[in-house]
Amino acid sequence: RKEVEQDPGPFNVPEGATVAFNCTYSNSASQSFFWYRQDCRKEPKLLMSVYSSGNEDGRFTAQLNRASQYISLLIRDSKLSDSATYLCVVPDYQYGNKLVFGAGTILRVKS
Amino acid sequence: DAGVIQSPRHEVTEMGQEVTLRCKPISGHNSLFWYRQTMMRGLELLIYFNNNVPIDDSGMPEDRFSAKMPNASFSTLKIQPSEPRDSAVYFCASSSESNEQFFGPGTRLTVL
Repeated sequence: RKEVEQDPGPFNVPEGATVAFNCTYSNSASQSFFWYRQDCRKEPKLLMSVYSSGNEDGRFTAQLNRASQYISLLIRDSKLSDSATYLCVVPDYQYGNKLVFGAGTILRVKS
Repeated sequence: DAGVIQSPRHEVTEMGQEVTLRCKPISGHNSLFWYRQTMMRGLELLIYFNNNVPIDDSGMPEDRFSAKMPNASFSTLKIQPSEPRDSAVYFCASSSESNEQFFGPGTRLTVL
């Protein structure tokens, strides 16, 4: 099993739709998690951190289910500008603050 | 703050040539990471430094790759000799104690 697994998509949704991505991880000892966003031909940037059961920031909600070892990202009222690749990230505590990145889920929001 | 600075932004070279990629981390950050991203393999960690010391280089593909961090404000990733399969985007990232990694804009390497 890969350390971090994501559905690669692409998810094609209309503007205003609600879309959710899931991510599963293998290291049950992980305590914190992250979602990064990567625009086409750009670098990854932190979108949200998840330290407990979940986190909400405007239209974005991240939820954590430790028992099932999965993290989800919910985007409400999708905008064209939300089109990007969303990377699920889990720390590897064998080596300090090393992060393990999932392969990413592609989101395309269409008008 | 200028963020993580990488140079060059684009590099086109011929097979067999030496390539040197450069990175200046954010001032005050004590960890520096080199990643490679391709369509086939996604984002892969090559090596990371903590306080200028290499901690984990298990991702370095082979002996053709080497990385150095002579001081807290500069790191290099060298490929010698380069091969077409090394073509990728190479990112440098830095972080402090918070675990959030800040990425540079990347170097797009093409080896012909």
